[in-house]
Amino acid sequence: GIQVEQSPPDLILQEGANSTLRCNFSDSVNNLQWFHQNPWGQLINLFYIPSGTKQNGRLSATTVATERYSLLYISSSQTTDSGVYFCAVGNSGGYQKVTFGTGTKLQVIP
Amino acid sequence: NAGVTQTPKFQVLKTGQSMTLQCAQDMNHNSMYWYRQDPGMGLRLIYYSASEGTTDKGEVPNGYNVSRLNKREFSLRLESAAPSQTSVYFCASSGEYQPQHFGDGTRLSIL
Repeated sequence: GIQVEQSPPDLILQEGANSTLRCNFSDSVNNLQWFHQNPWGQLINLFYIPSGTKQNGRLSATTVATERYSLLYISSSQTTDSGVYFCAVGNSGGYQKVTFGTGTKLQVIP
Repeated sequence: NAGVTQTPKFQVLKTGQSMTLQCAQDMNHNSMYWYRQDPGMGLRLIYYSASEGTTDKGEVPNGYNVSRLNKREFSLRLESAAPSQTSVYFCASSGEYQPQHFGDGTRLSIL
């Protein structure tokens, strides 16, 4: 199956700082998603981005499928951004049998 | 606008007991999924249902069974619970080439 590596595993930021999270994957994909798991355990889908660039407020994501990586940018971080960010990838078609990475744990301190 | 609803939210079982986790979605999605998440790890796929009437094994299916009752509902059954099945269980649904939406999870402890 596809191997997914996320870096860094842990990140501590001062409120207001910017950060870049990376997701590398071992095979071609037609499905890539970024999720945020908040401190209460809820999983929120941030982006569905098998290729290209998308932006949503302070968050943006870029996937370079030919080079097998994706980046999640967080600008002007806030304490509510704390939690774990997961990348999930798949290549099984329209239904999403995806493989999750082990995540980046982000802590934003005031 | 409920999205994906899982019941129960918490459960404690004794080894050998059985139980069924329920999941329902109201987004008219074809595909539904069950994952487990263990401490410090990402999610691992247990079973999925690409469409109503079909189910397939994921990465860690041993000890579990599923039923796609209808388009809305997808249940996960533990026939004889074991301590290794202590975990947080998430249900998700999606449309074709669409983002996955997750329920809030079921925290299951097996003593």
